Amino acid sequence: GENVEQHPSTLSVQEGDSAVIKCTYSDSASNYFPWYKQELGKRPQLIIDIRSNVGEKKDQRIAVTLNKTAKHFSLHITETQPEDSAVYFCAASMWAGTASKLTFGTGTRLQVTL
Amino acid sequence: DAGVIQSPRHEVTEMGQEVTLRCKPISGHNSLFWYRQTMMRGLELLIYFNNNVPIDDSGMPEDRFSAKMPNASFSTLKIQPSEPRDSAVYFCASSLRTGRSGYTFGSGTRLTVV
Repeated sequence: GENVEQHPSTLSVQEGDSAVIKCTYSDSASNYFPWYKQELGKRPQLIIDIRSNVGEKKDQRIAVTLNKTAKHFSLHITETQPEDSAVYFCAASMWAGTASKLTFGTGTRLQVTL
Repeated sequence: DAGVIQSPRHEVTEMGQEVTLRCKPISGHNSLFWYRQTMMRGLELLIYFNNNVPIDDSGMPEDRFSAKMPNASFSTLKIQPSEPRDSAVYFCASSLRTGRSGYTFGSGTRLTVV
């Protein structure tokens, strides 16, 4: 099955700096890669996703890049703000009709300091 | 839309007791997932359903765990008998087109078995 590794496990940046979280996946058939943000005591929420037919996607201060050859994808947050502090999870799945599932990475705890 | 609704939000029970967690997916979503989250193991997929049919239950830890989805708007996860190591946050999530769109998570049930 799919295996997703995520690094780093913790990340501390100063407000205004950029943060980068990296993930690798094992199944070359995976074609969908979402990122989730989970604030303390709350549910994971989808913040951005990318499909295998594109290499990069951006949404305001958040961007995701995908390298299918190397089987890795990354989340980039620019101009970080205190409200970006949370745990971020990457995930991967292979869509095959209706039978597939998301495999999550182990999470990155991002702390944005003033 | 009210989102994915889980109940109860918190459950404290004694070891050996039966526990039933409930989930109402978003109307129209055809896939439903049960995840367990702990500090040690992160987000683990327990089981998922497509069109009310269980597709993959390989993540269910033991026979003490069972899940049902009698109709498109309701699912249960049952633990009988419960053990202290079952203490975790259990999330239900639903998706419109598995693998091609993100999951929407419920608020979770925090289970404590004493």
